[in-house]
Amino acid sequence: QKEVEQNSGPLSVPEGAIASLNCTYSDRVSQSFFWYRQYSGKSPELIMSIYSNGDKEDGRFTAQLNKASQYVSLLIRDSQPSDSATYLCAVRNTGNQFYFGTGTSLTVIP
Amino acid sequence: DTGVSQDPRHKITKRGQNVTFRCDPISEHNRLYWYRQTLGQGPEFLTYFQNEAQLEKSRLLSDRFSAERPKGSFSTLEIQRTEQGDSAMYLCASSLGVEETQYFGPGTRLLVL
Repeated sequence: QKEVEQNSGPLSVPEGAIASLNCTYSDRVSQSFFWYRQYSGKSPELIMSIYSNGDKEDGRFTAQLNKASQYVSLLIRDSQPSDSATYLCAVRNTGNQFYFGTGTSLTVIP
Repeated sequence: DTGVSQDPRHKITKRGQNVTFRCDPISEHNRLYWYRQTLGQGPEFLTYFQNEAQLEKSRLLSDRFSAERPKGSFSTLEIQRTEQGDSAMYLCASSLGVEETQYFGPGTRLLVL
């Protein structure tokens, strides 16, 4: 079983719609959770971090964490073509190792 | 540009050769991470340093891989006796602390022929 699992997509949404990205993790005692965006040929950049159950909002982005279900999600409201990228879910375990999912490819159609 | 630099950006080598990559983190960041990323996959954790101490190393990491951060500033990752399966993007990231944002460098793309 992989440490972090994501639906690889591709996910396509029309411009202005809500994009929903999901991630599950296997280590129940994982500490911290992150969403990164990676454009083709570029390195990952952090969008959101979340550490406790519930929702965390930052602009058009909302991260949701449910530790009981070992589930993290990212919602992107009012999706823009510039949001088209691969979104990586990452989890930090108690050993301070970071595990990334394989990423979900998102395309926002103008 | 995040402030993390990596050198070289590209490296082509023949199987069996040794290669060394350098990472310069953001100056005040005490944590430095190395990852490997292949096409269609997320970054795979290799190792990390807090200052000059190497605190964690992936159990998947071959003995051919070694990393150093001698003065707690820049770091080097060496791969000995390269194999074709080592072809990947090698990413370095740094952070101010364990809970702080990791900033990634542009990566070094390695191709082993």
